[in-house]
Amino acid sequence: DIQMTQSPSSMSVSLGDRVTITCRASQDIGNYLSWYQQKPEKSPKLMIYGATNLEDGVPSRFSGSRSGSDYSLTINSLESEDTGIYFCLQHKQYPWTFGGGTKLELK
Amino acid sequence: QVTLKESGPGMLQPSKTLSLTCSFSGFSLSTSGMVVSWIRQPSGKSLEWLAAIDWDGDKYYNPSLKSRLTVSKDTSNTQVFLKITSVDIADTATYYCARSHYGSYAGYWGQGVMVTVSS
Repeated sequence: DIQMTQSPSSMSVSLGDRVTITCRASQDIGNYLSWYQQKPEKSPKLMIYGATNLEDGVPSRFSGSRSGSDYSLTINSLESEDTGIYFCLQHKQYPWTFGGGTKLELK
Repeated sequence: QVTLKESGPGMLQPSKTLSLTCSFSGFSLSTSGMVVSWIRQPSGKSLEWLAAIDWDGDKYYNPSLKSRLTVSKDTSNTQVFLKITSVDIADTATYYCARSHYGSYAGYWGQGVMVTVSS
């Protein structure tokens, strides 16, 4: 199985902060990487697909990037609605595997 | 509009078989490229992909659970089912179904159904 190591596991952030979350893949997954936001008691919501593509309707302050086997989700100028848990997912091959999640909370 | 909705027993006893249904609309699983996956999430934990079935009827399983899983679909291609045999407390989780296209990212998710395994 491909392991996805996500960091950090939690972040305490302020409104307006620039936030970066990273996932490292244990094997080559190309750009088969997507990012999801999950609010309490809700299902995950697709934010970024293909490592760098913004899903329709997602604010432009969100962006995705790749450097080798490291994949990052960046939120520029954090807003209060951006709190929640973020997960990465590799769908290069089955079994799909998720990162451990990053919980974003406001200070 | 694509929607998916999971249903299940809510609670069941250890050693029993868990049967889940994913009912969806806005697409047909007979359409080339369509894939429906099952994913679960224990409370406070990350997500675990369990199984998938595609438009051609091909099935994919997580090797860690493969011996206990069976995924299937109905003939109308509007429902997907998952059975998990010999459940135990570790199977307590919220179970989601999600749609992808040619195995790509999960663009649409159901609301999830909570399943508790308890004696």
